[in-house]
Amino acid sequence: DTGVSQNPRHKITKRGQNVTFRCDPISEHNRLYWYRQTLGQGPEFLTYFQNEAQLEKSRLLSDRFSAERPKGSFSTLEIQRTEQGDSAMYLCASSLGGDFDTQYFGPGTRLTVL
Amino acid sequence: AQSVTQLGSHVSVSEGALVLLRCNYSSSVPPYLFWYVQYPNQGLQLLLKYTSAATLVKGINGFEAEFKKSETSFHLTKPSAHMSDAAEYFCAVNLPSSEKLTFGTGTRLTIIP
Repeated sequence: DTGVSQNPRHKITKRGQNVTFRCDPISEHNRLYWYRQTLGQGPEFLTYFQNEAQLEKSRLLSDRFSAERPKGSFSTLEIQRTEQGDSAMYLCASSLGGDFDTQYFGPGTRLTVL
Repeated sequence: AQSVTQLGSHVSVSEGALVLLRCNYSSSVPPYLFWYVQYPNQGLQLLLKYTSAATLVKGINGFEAEFKKSETSFHLTKPSAHMSDAAEYFCAVNLPSSEKLTFGTGTRLTIIP
């Protein structure tokens, strides 16, 4: 069990550029979650996958955001036409599912949009 | 809808003193409750969770929390603070029928030598 990993750890981009983040969950975890955390706030839910199916999306996930989990393993989160308001820490979590489920978080990707 | 309120965005305690971090929740049905800790530039680590079994929950690093339905609270305590406890602490709620966690705004704990 190597934990949830995220790449890159830091990303600096210019406004209007596209960025993509990757999350590798704990092996055999079939649920994967994306959260966004801005300075001084708690994480906010963005979206959730059960295997390769995206089952829930927050209203925070505008049409510039897209997430995929093509083979039910790793996931990518893409932001198109980035804005300064997208600057945040993007956290990924995974879980086994079932009763009393626990989400395990990765270290996050910090995005800075200039 | 579910929500979490953490009273006190910053808490300072002396090394060896009692740590008390407050969390109140709002939920239409009995929730699951969690405390996570976040060290600088790191992700969140689970401290403990309540899932409707014992109301007093023991976690890692000497922390524990008590679920009080009448007060809709889930406060986090530790009898004796250690310098390594300095971090940000988040309370979170999750309805049994939902997959998402709803977090509070966090409490930054500072330990005074």
